[in-house]
Amino acid sequence: NAGVMQNPRHLVRRRGQEARLRCSPMKGHSHVYWYRQLPEEGLKFMVYLQKENIIDESGMPKERFSAEFPKEGPSILRIQQVVRGDSAAYFCASSPRDRDYTGELFFGEGSRLTVL
Amino acid sequence: QQQVKQSPQSLIVQKGGISIINCAYENTAFDYFPWYQQFPGKGPALLIAIRPDVSEKKEGRFTISFNKSAKQFSLHIMDSQPGDSATYFCAASSGANNLFFGTGTRLTVIP
Repeated sequence: NAGVMQNPRHLVRRRGQEARLRCSPMKGHSHVYWYRQLPEEGLKFMVYLQKENIIDESGMPKERFSAEFPKEGPSILRIQQVVRGDSAAYFCASSPRDRDYTGELFFGEGSRLTVL
Repeated sequence: QQQVKQSPQSLIVQKGGISIINCAYENTAFDYFPWYQQFPGKGPALLIAIRPDVSEKKEGRFTISFNKSAKQFSLHIMDSQPGDSATYFCAASSGANNLFFGTGTRLTVIP
């Protein structure tokens, strides 16, 4: 059973470009979470999605950031017009959120964005 | 606003010693308190978790102590090994809501 798959693992963008990060949850999981990790900081919640629905986006910056989890395909975190402060590791996690849900989130290995 | 406060930021322990990491929270609605372990270049992975109906949970060398009245919980790693060197995050959530993480503790176990 494959784990949470994130790609790309590393992404370099120049200021003003767009970054798209993809996340495929574990098989059987229908809930996806995105977290951002800055150097020497913890994991900051960004957004929680279910298939075709945004459940909680309270941690998402109001501008330039968006997320989706379509009926088919991976979840996408999109950052428009990137700035240097967007450089971070972005982690995706998934959970089953049904009777099998224990509270555990299963994390991918992250996508490391560097903005030049 | 940091929902979960974690200390220390870094910790150096001799092999065989006890590593202790502490966390505190304010939201009394939290009912799930996991600890995650993260190695460099990897994603966090669940290490051990506790719910507030018990005051302690032990799995091998790892123990969570939970003090509901003080709103504090801690991770104890007994007989620490160099392979335990990693960053440890405490976290908390309530019901079906999201996990809020502490800022992490970088543990180094010296051989």
